[in-house]
Order: sequence, then C-alpha cells, then structure tokens
Amino acid sequence: EVQLVQSGAEVKKPGESLKISCKGSGYIFTSYWIGWVRQMPGKGLEWMGVIYPDDSDTRYSPSFQGQVTISADKSINTAYLQWSSLKASDTAMYYCARLDGTFDYWGQGSLVTVSS
Amino acid sequence: EIVLTQSPATLSLSPGERATLSCRASQSVSSYLAWYQQKPGQAPRLLIHDASSRATGIPARFSGSGSGTDFTLTISSLEPEDVAVYYCQQRTNWLFTFGGGTKVEIK
Repeated sequence: EVQLVQSGAEVKKPGESLKISCKGSGYIFTSYWIGWVRQMPGKGLEWMGVIYPDDSDTRYSPSFQGQVTISADKSINTAYLQWSSLKASDTAMYYCARLDGTFDYWGQGSLVTVSS
Repeated sequence: EIVLTQSPATLSLSPGERATLSCRASQSVSSYLAWYQQKPGQAPRLLIHDASSRATGIPARFSGSGSGTDFTLTISSLEPEDVAVYYCQQRTNWLFTFGGGTKVEIK
C-alpha cells in the first residue's frame, strides 16, 4: 500500500527556520517525483515544486522559487520542505504528494503556524 | 502561466441530482487535466486523470470530459458523502496549476 507520512504540526516564530518531512513507503521511492502543495487557511491549493529523489532534480513554481528549498534523502525514502526564515504568511497546511502524471497519493498534511 | 478558472464557485443540489462542474484553461492543456476532491479536514484525493480516466477505486458516478481548454466533472447522482471542494489541475512543461475550486453542498 502506497503511503506518504508527513511530520507533525509545527508552531514557529517569524524569522525561525523549519524543515518538514514526507516519508514514502509501499512503492519504489526513487522512481517517482514528489511534489509539495500549500493550502493557506480557508483557501485553495497551490503547487510549490517537485523533486525526483533518485537524483534530486528539482523544479519550483515561480511563485515559490527562492522562498523555500525542496530536498530528498533517498536512503531513508524521505522528501523535505524547508524555510530559512519563516514569515507569518507561511502559516498554512502543507501537503506532499506522489507524482505519476498526476498527484495520485497524498500525505496527511503538515500544519505550520507562524506567530509571534 | 496557465490559469484555470472553475465555475460555479458553489453548487447546491439535492441528493440524487446531477452535478456539473466546469474548469476552463487560459490556453490549451491538451488532456493533461486532473480533478481532485477535498473533504473538510482531509487531504485532496485524485478522482480523474488525463481529463476522463477515473482513478483507482473512484465510483462510476464520477466522470470527466473535455480537452484543450474546456473540461467538465460530472457527478451523475449526488450522494451526501460527495460534499467537498473539487479542484481541477493541469500540468504542462513542468508547471502545475490548480483551479480555485468548486464547493459542492447538499440542499
């Protein structure tokens, strides 16, 4: 069974750094791209970027380029999304999803709250 | 960037009625269009890929059609558990965009 399990909720202050994770199981992790999607409170879905864990080839949405870093550690079947300096506007639910043409399997989401 | 416009924003129907959701692209996306269902408090779930192919385990009452710039998701007979927000999504040249969503409610 394909599963993507994300790290838990985080509460951070503006200016702090953060790295959230997405661990895949039940399939060959290095054979599929993993994407990240943001959902701000009460809003729709926004694609942030994708990574191919086998060689860490990464593509970013122009809206998120330079704002976040996507990485992966194929030895532990895990993809990451990180911020070097969080802003209040980064408060959102973040989903990872497997890309097989479309986003066919999704993680449960990681809620990030940034507040002073 | 390709923009996807979904309509209507909200659809309120009685159980058993037919729901028709629209997604219009600002330029052709061929058949590279998917539909997702997001129930309150849950992650999105893939319903339809490549415009008209149902994903694994999706009930037959869900169907997709269209190509180019105009796409439709149809729920043939609305069930109470279909209350959700539905999003379309396209992929072209390694750029992905989602529509703004249509909220389906039960009268």
